[in-house]
Amino acid sequence: DTAVSQTPKYLVTQMGNDKSIKCEQNLGHDTMYWYKQDSKKFLKIMFSYNNKELIINETVPNRFSPKSPDKAHLNLHINSLELGDSAVYFCASSQGLINEKLFFGSGTQLSVL
Amino acid sequence: AQKVTQAQTEISVVEKEDVTLDCVYETRDTTYYLFWYKQPPSGELVFLIRRNSFDEQNEISGRYSWNFQKSTSSFNFTITASQVVDSAVYFCALSGYSSASKIIFGSGTRLSIRP
Repeated sequence: DTAVSQTPKYLVTQMGNDKSIKCEQNLGHDTMYWYKQDSKKFLKIMFSYNNKELIINETVPNRFSPKSPDKAHLNLHINSLELGDSAVYFCASSQGLINEKLFFGSGTQLSVL
Repeated sequence: AQKVTQAQTEISVVEKEDVTLDCVYETRDTTYYLFWYKQPPSGELVFLIRRNSFDEQNEISGRYSWNFQKSTSSFNFTITASQVVDSAVYFCALSGYSSASKIIFGSGTRLSIRP
């Protein structure tokens, strides 16, 4: 069983569209994250949730809206997609909130045309 | 501010050579954690090690070893007798000790092991 699963794996869309990426973890972890990896492989945190509560919001445009219906799920909705949004988006989870090791999903490669 | 620097963008060695990946960090926290992650060509990020700032003992796990030196703010990673399967991007990361702490990643080192 995949510990952290995210769908879809690939997402190709036009500028201006709205899209969502879903993430689920079956590890019983309390904390979930979204990271963005750009074309130069640089990884940057976007959001983190702990027990469905937003903990970290890293100066991300408000076109990005995370939603956590329960602590096992953290979805990412992106409105009005722009070319610069093209990247690989990783979902991750950890047992606790502080300094725990991260378990990553396999990533969603988003290409905005 | 916290920062992680991996000055080596790419390294290429021949199989069976030893290779060291450098990591230098900056933080004002007295308590912090350091990590290494591996990202193979398949793309998934895999946790390798976590070390807290109070534990300066070096660690060895099979062919992997880590050298943590607070005096130089470094947490270097050595692969002994490298293998083709070690080819990946390796990330060093840092996390401070607070409830809102986040893991800051370095820019990664792409390691290529040639047969």
